[in-house]
Amino acid sequence: KAGVTQTPRYLIKTRGQQVTLSCSPISGHRSVSWYQQTPGQGLQFLFEYFSETQRNKGNFPGRFSGRQFSNSRSEMNVSTLELGDSALYLCASSREGGSRNEQFFGPGTRLTVL
Amino acid sequence: GENVEQHPSTLSVQEGDSAVIKCTYSDSASNYFPWYKQELGKGPQLIIDIRSNVGEKKDQRIAVTLNKTAKHFSLHITETQPEDSAVYFCAARGNDMRFGAGTRLTVKP
Repeated sequence: KAGVTQTPRYLIKTRGQQVTLSCSPISGHRSVSWYQQTPGQGLQFLFEYFSETQRNKGNFPGRFSGRQFSNSRSEMNVSTLELGDSALYLCASSREGGSRNEQFFGPGTRLTVL
Repeated sequence: GENVEQHPSTLSVQEGDSAVIKCTYSDSASNYFPWYKQELGKGPQLIIDIRSNVGEKKDQRIAVTLNKTAKHFSLHITETQPEDSAVYFCAARGNDMRFGAGTRLTVKP
């Protein structure tokens, strides 16, 4: 069974631009969560989607948004990029989401904002 | 919200020795506690997890213990090998998943 895939793997943008990252979950998984990983802040939860609905949201500004499609694939968008948005963005999928389901991570998208 | 504290931040052991990483959490609603291993350039990989109705779980050289009363849980790796070198994260799940800051484990051959 294929794992979680994320595209692109690397991205370089400039301040003020916007970016869209994509995540394809493991086949059969309906929940997708997004995380931001930085050396200073560690792994921080962005949001979780289940059956095309945002189920949970972390403490990030409204510039960060996401969506999930009927095939469970998910995208996250960051608008008006800031230097501090440079990070590894990780997507994780689980079968049903919630507190008792294992999450499996993708390799991440490394975003650099210049 | 949930805060998860993880110690130590770095750990260096000799091959064959044991390694122990400890985490504490604050949200008593947390009921799922996974551990992840992250190697350079890769996403975190789930290595073991434990649920709140269990006190201990073992998988070959890896074991996890949970003390819900004290709100702490630990990862134990026995007979460490150089390929165990990586960053390890604990996490606790209540409404969402909160991660510890990570432990960089180095196993010296």
